[in-house]
Amino acid sequence: SAVISQKPSRDICQRGTSLTIQCQVDSQVTMMFWYRQQPGQSLTLIATANQGSEATYESGFVIDKFPISRPNLTFSTLTVSNMSPEDSSIYLCSVPRPGTYGYTFGSGTRLTVV
Amino acid sequence: AQTVTQSQPEMSVQEAETVTLSCTYDTSENNYYLFWYKQPPSRQMILVIRQEAYKQQNATENRFSVNFQKAAKSFSLKISDSQLGDTAMYFCAFGAMEYGNKLVFGAGTILRVKS
Repeated sequence: SAVISQKPSRDICQRGTSLTIQCQVDSQVTMMFWYRQQPGQSLTLIATANQGSEATYESGFVIDKFPISRPNLTFSTLTVSNMSPEDSSIYLCSVPRPGTYGYTFGSGTRLTVV
Repeated sequence: AQTVTQSQPEMSVQEAETVTLSCTYDTSENNYYLFWYKQPPSRQMILVIRQEAYKQQNATENRFSVNFQKAAKSFSLKISDSQLGDTAMYFCAFGAMEYGNKLVFGAGTILRVKS
């Protein structure tokens, strides 16, 4: 199964600034998913990132706030823009495991906005 | 829209005993797959077990097994011989190719294993 390296593992940011989260996969994958997990809550899908096309955003999430880059089949970034304390969450990337109907997750980025 | 419901916010079990976590889901899809993920305090999402909807046989992975009732849209997780390391948040999740292979998660159940 794929191994994902997600960076940074945690960060404390000032409101109004932006943070870019990176996910590097050790194999080529067509789809990559970005999730948000608010404190004490479940995971909510932000968007699906496909290489060579615009990301597809879920209801309630917009590209201006969460721009996504997918330059190749092994790498993606999610930017949290113009942050406010409400953006304090864990952000996780995920990719499908080929042929097994499973998913591998990155280790998550714990973001705190002050 | 697909929904996943976990009705037990918290559960506790004594070490070495058995515990069952409940999950129900709603979908109009016929071909889909279900998962249980474990999230310990490290926040790493760990796949515990998966079940393809077309398979009638319940999935089993060592101490973990599921009771998959397709007609009732129920997918419970049984943990046998509970260990302290099983303490974590457990999420039930649904996915389907027709749904873009995205996962829909339940609210989660915090499981505490007591010594």
